[in-house]
Amino acid sequence: RKEVEQDPGPFNVPEGATVAFNCTYSNSASQSFFWYRQDCRKEPKLLMSVYSSGNEDGRFTAQLNRASQYISLLIRDSKLSDSATYLCVVRRNDKIIFGKGTRLHILP
Amino acid sequence: DVKVTQSSRYLVKRTGEKVFLECVQDMDHENMFWYRQDPGLGLRLIYFSYDVKMKEKGDIPEGYSVSREKKERFSLILESASTNQTSMYLCASSTPSYEQYFGPGTRLTVT
Repeated sequence: RKEVEQDPGPFNVPEGATVAFNCTYSNSASQSFFWYRQDCRKEPKLLMSVYSSGNEDGRFTAQLNRASQYISLLIRDSKLSDSATYLCVVRRNDKIIFGKGTRLHILP
Repeated sequence: DVKVTQSSRYLVKRTGEKVFLECVQDMDHENMFWYRQDPGLGLRLIYFSYDVKMKEKGDIPEGYSVSREKKERFSLILESASTNQTSMYLCASSTPSYEQYFGPGTRLTVT
């Protein structure tokens, strides 16, 4: 089983809709969790860290479920500019593992 | 704003050449990383460094070496470039809590 798994998508979502995707991790000793976004042919950019109590940044909400070993990202009122690949990242001690990403297409 | 710069956006080298990729960060981060990204394989860690002159192997260190003589600079060296090292190379630095900030990447083609 891969240490970090994401549905590759693509998720095709109309503008203004709410979309959510999950990322599962296999090692219960994982300590830190992050979401990054990566635009086509660009570098990944930190979207948000994911805290145990969940956290929100504008239209974006991240949740951590340690019991079921997954993190989630919810995007409300989606914009065309949200089209990107969303990478889940998990840290365990010195080891940082990137998921392969979920592609999101927002449709006008 | 954190800034991570890489010496080249695009690079074309011949098989067997020694290749240097430079990365500089301006946020006084102790942690720095080199990744390569290939379609279908995602980001894979080559090497990382927690301090000057410190280096640790990542998941795919074979064929690569690194140098960190100054805190702000982390170099990736391909000792003898091969065609299977054609890839996008991404450098990152991170905060103590491992929030990583990436450079724009170097697209290396080895012919």
